[in-house]
Amino acid sequence: AQKITQTQPGMFVQEKEAVTLDCTYDTSDQSYGLFWYKQPSSGEMIFLIYQGSYDEQNATEGRYSLNFQKARKSANLVISASQLGDSAMYFCAMRDGTSGTYKYIFGTGTRLKVLA
Amino acid sequence: NAGVMQNPRHLVRRRGQEARLRCSPMKGHSHVYWYRQLPEEGLKFMVYLQKENIIDESGMPKERFSAEFPKEGPSILRIQQVVRGDSAAYFCASSPSGEGHNEQFFGPGTRLTVL
Repeated sequence: AQKITQTQPGMFVQEKEAVTLDCTYDTSDQSYGLFWYKQPSSGEMIFLIYQGSYDEQNATEGRYSLNFQKARKSANLVISASQLGDSAMYFCAMRDGTSGTYKYIFGTGTRLKVLA
Repeated sequence: NAGVMQNPRHLVRRRGQEARLRCSPMKGHSHVYWYRQLPEEGLKFMVYLQKENIIDESGMPKERFSAEFPKEGPSILRIQQVVRGDSAAYFCASSPSGEGHNEQFFGPGTRLTVL
């Protein structure tokens, strides 16, 4: 069965430092997609970064990068130079292609707090 | 190009009432997904619809919940006889195609509170 695991319920990081949020996944698909979303206290889901299973290079979007280790089935999010505005919930998600519907499967999230 | 729109943003219902949540996908998008986020949890898939068709409703409770996406107008998620356990944030997402490489674009969500 498809599954996303985020083992860090909460994380703290000092402003301007880098932080890694862990995500492991389980799938029998050869082709899949991995996403990270940010959910601030206002509640909306903000897309951060995408990694395709066949992408050879790790995805990067500004201060966000995805450390994709296919053999270990991990897709960790790295946020560099943390800012106070990065304080939020972060969700890892996988697109489920097994049923042909491409629905997303989400992890339970990591709450990040950036300290001044 | 406006994003995915959901209304109302907040909805309060008493137990036993009906809740109707609306989702207007992005222009040109014909695929709609509904997800539910219970307090302090991640989003869980409920239902996937294309225009006039329910494609996958495997995540939707069998009773009291229904969804539609008519040829004209928004997608509707309907919850009959709401109970306190229905209190959650309901997110709609749309995509231009069901193809795997297309991203889903999320709306701002509707927060349902059942008193």
